[in-house]
Amino acid sequence: DGGITQSPKYLFRKEGQNVTLSCEQNLNHDAMYWYRQDPGQGLRLIYYSQIVNDFQKGDIAEGYSVSREKKESFPLTVTSAQKNPTAFYLCASSAKTGGSTDTQYFGPGTRLTVL
Amino acid sequence: AQSVTQPDIHITVSEGASLELRCNYSYGATPYLFWYVQSPGQGLQLLLKYFSGDTLVQGIKGFEAEFKRSQSSFNLRKPSVHWSDAAEYFCAVGDGRSQGNLIFGKGTKLSVKP
Repeated sequence: DGGITQSPKYLFRKEGQNVTLSCEQNLNHDAMYWYRQDPGQGLRLIYYSQIVNDFQKGDIAEGYSVSREKKESFPLTVTSAQKNPTAFYLCASSAKTGGSTDTQYFGPGTRLTVL
Repeated sequence: AQSVTQPDIHITVSEGASLELRCNYSYGATPYLFWYVQSPGQGLQLLLKYFSGDTLVQGIKGFEAEFKRSQSSFNLRKPSVHWSDAAEYFCAVGDGRSQGNLIFGKGTKLSVKP
């Protein structure tokens, strides 16, 4: 089955630790995205990548880092510099890399809790 | 700047009743509009999208939405709600930049009474 997988589903982290969230897609999509979701806030874009070895900051990139070494993978690292990392993180991908007509398809999400 | 407003944070309807979820957007050019649904603890599923052409768009699960340029609206409708429709619904607009990013509303939570 084609789709987007995120792991783990739940993640707990102590303050001051970095943690990496996994996102893998087998849809052969070029573009991938990371969003953060907080209750009542909708989705906010963290980073996106249109092509391997290239990525751009979204609206709330501070305290996060990404890599795009393979087309199918776009891991997100939440660093200790992120002041309030507890949230639900969603990964998405889209087939095309240009234009607002791209339809984004979402993974099941990872819930990160900082203890 | 582009923006999306979903005026209703929470709506409760009875099973079998009709549903309309409101979405208003602010965008200078022709918008590309989407509705997504999210069940608790899950990712988002695309319900429907509007790019151009017929302003009444049909989607999955019996949903439809109508684009009204004069009102800057893209309201989601369903004639008869089922208990399984209880979820959170997000409206989104393509932000017009080449990378195809989406701007999301803050969502409307739908509860269904038996």
